[in-house]
Amino acid sequence: DAGITQSPRHKVTETGTPVTLRCHQTENHRYMYWYRQDPGHGLRLIHYSYGVKDTDKGEVSDGYSVSRSKTEDFLLTLESATSSQTSVYFCAISEGAWYGGYGYTFGSGTRLTVV
Amino acid sequence: GIQVEQSPPDLILQEGANSTLRCNFSDSVNNLQWFHQNPWGQLINLFYIPSGTKQNGRLSATTVATERYSLLYISSSQTTDSGVYFCAVERDTNAGKSTFGDGTTLTVKP
Repeated sequence: DAGITQSPRHKVTETGTPVTLRCHQTENHRYMYWYRQDPGHGLRLIHYSYGVKDTDKGEVSDGYSVSRSKTEDFLLTLESATSSQTSVYFCAISEGAWYGGYGYTFGSGTRLTVV
Repeated sequence: GIQVEQSPPDLILQEGANSTLRCNFSDSVNNLQWFHQNPWGQLINLFYIPSGTKQNGRLSATTVATERYSLLYISSSQTTDSGVYFCAVERDTNAGKSTFGDGTTLTVKP
């Protein structure tokens, strides 16, 4: 399996506090993605990155920011956590874009609870 | 945006049975992937299949891009096949922004 790790695996935080989730890869893949998974909604894209310092928004980006200062790390920050951001967060990586035939590899997920 | 519908939402099988899962999408796509999420939450890429047919052991997938659907076949199902199966699609005009269906939950009983 590709080397992709998410940290922390579980976190409980209070409403209004900032939270940062980390995705780390050892595969030197160009593309990295953050998704959230909620019951009844499948996976929804929050933000993605197509290179160092190159990021773009997904369908549910409000309240989230990302940074990618190194190829191997993609950080997701909840600027001021709300209960609606309680979810399981998945990071994914891919070697290239869709036209290269590259599939995604997912991390193990971070379960975030905002109380 | 593009809509992705998966059917059936839930499927219960006896071990050894075959099944077909369907993914319909509302517009032309350039990328389609099938994933399996096991009961522990891990997501595994099964196929990258924007068109044509692929096989991997007991699993195979077919995408008919012109008719906007994809099928995932599971033959001789095993209890370890249980979990949720997702398809995800992507368009070249929206590269990097995959849209996932809501999944099919498969339960294989011994």
